Amino acid sequence: DAEITQSPRHKITETGRQVTLACHQTWNHNNMFWYRQDLGHGLRLIHYSYGVQDTNKGEVSDGYSVSRSNTEDLPLTLESAASSQTSVYFCASSDTGVGNTGELFFGEGSRLTVL
Amino acid sequence: RKEVEQDPGPFNVPEGATVAFNCTYSNSASQSFFWYRQDCRKEPKLLMSVYSSGNEDGRFTAQLNRASQYISLLIRDSKLSDSATYLCVVNFGNEKLTFGTGTRLTIIP
Repeated sequence: DAEITQSPRHKITETGRQVTLACHQTWNHNNMFWYRQDLGHGLRLIHYSYGVQDTNKGEVSDGYSVSRSNTEDLPLTLESAASSQTSVYFCASSDTGVGNTGELFFGEGSRLTVL
Repeated sequence: RKEVEQDPGPFNVPEGATVAFNCTYSNSASQSFFWYRQDCRKEPKLLMSVYSSGNEDGRFTAQLNRASQYISLLIRDSKLSDSATYLCVVNFGNEKLTFGTGTRLTIIP
């Protein structure tokens, strides 16, 4: 069965370190997204991609970067982790036309703690 | 003002009762609307789309009021398994979905 997986599921790091969260989907979806979820803020879009070599900034992109070298993967990098980036991170993917279908498939989430 | 706003709750409702949530959105050009469900410490999952004419899926009814810019979700005969956070989701005419902060529902035996 097709799926979307994130790794690591849990990570503790220190302020200033670079962290990369992996996201891999086997749906062959063009669209991939990274959200963060925090109490009181809900899910906020960090970066997204509509296809290979395409990346775009979301509403909370500062301090984060992504790259899309193939269809399956969209790794999220925190260049220099800050305590404000402690959060649960969700990767998601969708087929083209998600605006009509609403079908966004989420990974299980990565819980990041920055000390 | 947030683009999509929900009452965070929590709503504590006895089993078998009917409960309704509202969600307001700020952009009148919004194209499409959805409800997602998120269980504790799990990923969000699509519950249902919201159509202009309103739609039902079993015990769940979703309605859209474009004039007042809100959508609603009604759950009838609530079950213990309905306990979750319900996320209002809006598409503003592109390939991105914007999520509300969610309304937390607990069904009490």
